[in-house]
Amino acid sequence: DVQLQESGPGLVKPSQTVSLTCTVTGISITTGNYRWSWIRQFPGNKLEWIGYIYYSGTITYNPSLTSRTTITRDTSKNQFFLEMNSLTAEDTATYYCAREDTTGYFDYWGQGTTLTVSS
Amino acid sequence: DIQMTQSPASLSVSVGETVTITCRASENIYSNLAWYQQKQGKSPQLLVYAATNLADGVPSRFSGSGSGTQYSLKINSLQSEDFGSYYCQHFWGTPYTFGGGTKLEIK
Repeated sequence: DVQLQESGPGLVKPSQTVSLTCTVTGISITTGNYRWSWIRQFPGNKLEWIGYIYYSGTITYNPSLTSRTTITRDTSKNQFFLEMNSLTAEDTATYYCAREDTTGYFDYWGQGTTLTVSS
Repeated sequence: DIQMTQSPASLSVSVGETVTITCRASENIYSNLAWYQQKQGKSPQLLVYAATNLADGVPSRFSGSGSGTQYSLKINSLQSEDFGSYYCQHFWGTPYTFGGGTKLEIK
């Protein structure tokens, strides 16, 4: 069964950089026809797509975040990562990783990791 | 970016009734639309993809329709387990964007 699990520090200070990890089990992240995304949900429940890494390694970002966002992966550990810098309180959200079938839908989601940006 | 306008923002409905949620895209998304259900404290779960296709395990009381810029999710004979929030999302190119959500309360 496919499962995704996010992990992160929980609390970071403004202007700092955060790194989040998504650990995938049940399928290799290099399996064809899937993209592996980061999505966040703000307090108030608005959802925002951050970006994805394709099975081939190609990465696409939301243009609104591309200047301070990096997505990478470690195929040996079947993990992918989100790094975001210059954090502000407006980055406080629950961060999800999700699998996208290239037909066009997110069919598996992690349980989410909460990130609070506060001094 | 394609804007997804979802309505209503909330509604309160009795068990057994029928509910329709609508989603309007700011441009033609050629049926590249998914619907998700989210329960409090949980991650979103896929209900419908490609505008009209039910995801595996989704009850047949759910249905999706629409084309072009206008889409809808219909829930027939609402059950108590259907409470929660519902979101539409387009997949017609990046950045993907979501509707603002519909919070469904069971009377």
